[in-house]
Amino acid sequence: GDSVTQMEGPVTLSEEAFLTINCTYTATGYPSLFWYVQYPGEGLQLLLKATKADDKGSNKGFEATYRKETTSFHLEKGSVQVSDSAVYFCALSKAAGNKLTFGGGTRVLVKP
Amino acid sequence: DARVTQTPRHKVTEMGQEVTMRCQPILGHNTVFWYRQTMMQGLELLAYFRNRAPLDDSGMPKDRFSAEMPDATLATLKIQPSEPRDSAVYFCASGSPGTGGTDTQYFGPGTRLTVL
Repeated sequence: GDSVTQMEGPVTLSEEAFLTINCTYTATGYPSLFWYVQYPGEGLQLLLKATKADDKGSNKGFEATYRKETTSFHLEKGSVQVSDSAVYFCALSKAAGNKLTFGGGTRVLVKP
Repeated sequence: DARVTQTPRHKVTEMGQEVTMRCQPILGHNTVFWYRQTMMQGLELLAYFRNRAPLDDSGMPKDRFSAEMPDATLATLKIQPSEPRDSAVYFCASGSPGTGGTDTQYFGPGTRLTVL
């Protein structure tokens, strides 16, 4: 079946550091790939997405590129802020409107 | 700013009691998902509906869980009888795929359930 694997946390960084969260997936066909973010006490919010190979999703300084050859969708941000402290989830969807398959989540803590 | 709403936000109950969680999807969205989040299992899909019809409920324990959409503005998830292992955060999400739509799901704030 489909699956998503992401690096375990917690990841602790200082403000303005570079952030990378690795995500790889296993799926047949051409899934859409997503990064969702969950701030403390809240639901998940879409951070960015990519629907086909070589697409780059970006939002709020975060970027991720859909790499079909390595089945990866790594999340990066060049300079993190304390407000980026959250849990980040990588996910895939096999078709529009279908269920999301999530990775286990990566907790990120940014210290001032 | 359209949002998915869920009630209650927190629920503490005793084992054996019935629990009902409610979700109001974003107006115009035709697909509703129920997810459960626990430390051990992470985020897992319980069930989802399109145009109020159930499409997949394979992730839901059928003997005690039931999900319905009485109308387009309300989705419910019931547990009867509840057990301590049901303690989790339950999220509802809605979306609107199809012509002109997207595959983005919009999540509610969740219901944190504690079964004693």
